[in-house]
Amino acid sequence: KQEVTQIPAALSVPEGENLVLNCSFTDSAIYNLQWFRQDPGKGLTSLLLIQSSQREQTSGRLNASLDKSSGRSTLYIAASQPGDSATYLCAVEAQGGSEKLVFGKGMKLTVNP
Amino acid sequence: NAGVTQTPKFQVLKTGQSMTLQCAQDMNHEYMSWYRQDPGMGLRLIHYSVGAGITDQGEVPNGYNVSRSTTEDFPLRLLSAAPSQTSVYFCASSYFAGSYNEQFFGPGTRLTVL
Repeated sequence: KQEVTQIPAALSVPEGENLVLNCSFTDSAIYNLQWFRQDPGKGLTSLLLIQSSQREQTSGRLNASLDKSSGRSTLYIAASQPGDSATYLCAVEAQGGSEKLVFGKGMKLTVNP
Repeated sequence: NAGVTQTPKFQVLKTGQSMTLQCAQDMNHEYMSWYRQDPGMGLRLIHYSVGAGITDQGEVPNGYNVSRSTTEDFPLRLLSAAPSQTSVYFCASSYFAGSYNEQFFGPGTRLTVL
């Protein structure tokens, strides 16, 4: 059974720091890995999707990498801002026909001004 | 495009009542799914559908029914609400098209069962 882990569960940093968020998964048979952002009381917003054949994806200050063989992904946030404060979730789409996402429990990020 | 829409945003039920959570998407996505999000448990898949007329169970299907009569709509029915179904419910959709399968989520429905 695929399991996705995000450690730590929470992180508090001063504004301007470069951040690395970690995600690990147990089964490398995935179609893709997706990073989401969730603001309090809101839905999930897709940030980046990395296909299983790709190594990384970039969008603005965000860069996500994927090492499928070791079951790891990182989300890099450059020059963090208070507006980056949110919960970040990673999810893998497992191979096998159901196309379902398996989520980590998320990491709550607080960026202090 | 409105994307994925969900109604209602908030709902309070008494134990034993039934209700339907609505989900619709206007992106012509084949794949739709329902998740529930609980503190400390993350998001868990309830039911999913790979196209009109086709549904299947996810990780936590008990107490819920779904149907998919059109591509656009995927309602979730609670047959007899229980306090354990107090949760935030999210609907999601995506193209059913191989490895590039970005999923889009609705804003959620916050359900409280008393």
